[in-house]
Amino acid sequence: EDQVTQSPEALRLQEGESSSLNCSYTVSGLRGLFWYRQDPGKGPEFLFTLYSAGEEKEKERLKATLTKKESFLHITAPKPEDSATYLCAVQAGNNDMRFGAGTRLTVKP
Amino acid sequence: KAGVTQTPRYLIKTRGQQVTLSCSPISGHRSVSWYQQTPGQGLQFLFEYFSETQRNKGNFPGRFSGRQFSNSRSEMNVSTLELGDSALYLCASSFWTGGLLAGSTDTQYFGPGTRLTVL
Repeated sequence: EDQVTQSPEALRLQEGESSSLNCSYTVSGLRGLFWYRQDPGKGPEFLFTLYSAGEEKEKERLKATLTKKESFLHITAPKPEDSATYLCAVQAGNNDMRFGAGTRLTVKP
Repeated sequence: KAGVTQTPRYLIKTRGQQVTLSCSPISGHRSVSWYQQTPGQGLQFLFEYFSETQRNKGNFPGRFSGRQFSNSRSEMNVSTLELGDSALYLCASSFWTGGLLAGSTDTQYFGPGTRLTVL
């Protein structure tokens, strides 16, 4: 069965303290891996789509990477406004979309 | 380009009632998916519609149903509401490429959600 596991569940960082979030997956025929950011009470905001192992994408302080078994979302020198829940989702070969439980990031000033 | 819109944003119902939620996708998007999000279960897939046809369905009871109109707008309906149906209901739209291109996929763009409270 397709599975998506995100770790850690929660992460507290000081402003400027870089770190990485992990998304491990098992899926039949990966079509795409997605990263979203979600603020409380709002819909997820699209960040990145990764299609194949070795691919990397960057946006401001965020960088997403993909291997055959996992993806990392690297946050460089985070700011308090980066505090949010980060969701990972995978799309399987049959087009089913499965989301992880998310990592709740808090960045303290 | 306007994003995905959902109405209403907030809804309070009582057990046994039914509710209809509406979603307008991004212009040009023909695929609409619905999700239920709760603190305990996270984001769970309800169903997906493309060109007025249900293409995929999650593991939810038959009380949850949906439809899509010719203009790609979608509605979902929940009948005989239960306390456990209290959740944030999210709609997402994508531009379906048909999977014809190698590596092509469908990035889903989410609306703000409808917060349903069942009393």
